[in-house]
Amino acid sequence: EAQVTQNPRYLITVTGKKLTVTCSQNMNHEYMSWYRQDPGLGLRQIYYSMNVEVTDKGDVPEGYKVSRKEKRNFPLILESPSPNQTSLYFCASGRDRGNVMNEQFFGPGTRLTVL
Amino acid sequence: AQSVTQPDIHITVSEGASLELRCNYSYGATPYLFWYVQSPGQGLQLLLKYFSGDTLVQGIKGFEAEFKRSQSSFNLRKPSVHWSDAAEYFCARLEYGNKLVFGAGTILRVKS
Repeated sequence: EAQVTQNPRYLITVTGKKLTVTCSQNMNHEYMSWYRQDPGLGLRQIYYSMNVEVTDKGDVPEGYKVSRKEKRNFPLILESPSPNQTSLYFCASGRDRGNVMNEQFFGPGTRLTVL
Repeated sequence: AQSVTQPDIHITVSEGASLELRCNYSYGATPYLFWYVQSPGQGLQLLLKYFSGDTLVQGIKGFEAEFKRSQSSFNLRKPSVHWSDAAEYFCARLEYGNKLVFGAGTILRVKS
């Protein structure tokens, strides 16, 4: 089944304790992206990747890191989480052939709470 | 900056009634527009999209949307709502770099 998977689905942590949220897709998509969803703000892009070893900042990259060493994986890293990073996080992927991407597929979400 | 506005935070409709969710986009060339649905505890599912051509777009689950350039709108409609349609709906626009810019979302409640 074609899908985007995220782990963990739920995470409660404390301020300053490094964490990684994994994202994996099995559709051989070039493009992957991370969004965070906050009430009243919709989804905002954190980072994106056009292909392996190519990453770039989105609208709200502060406090986050990403890497794209393999095409299928795009982990989101919080080196020193803070309470304002409490949010619902979505990973997405899409086929990018240099043209407009007509669909992005979303993972199930990771609900993160930073105490 | 280009943006997407969903004026209604919450909407409640009776089961079987018609539905219209509003979406407005800011200026720009022909936009690439999407509607996604998020059921409780789930990820986002694409309902429909508009890139060009016919301004009335049919999607899944009986939804449709109409692109109106003169009103900068892309409203989502359904003629008869089912209880299972209760969810949060997001309008989005594709920008440079294939970034999706989302509206704030509209929560749909369906009363029986």
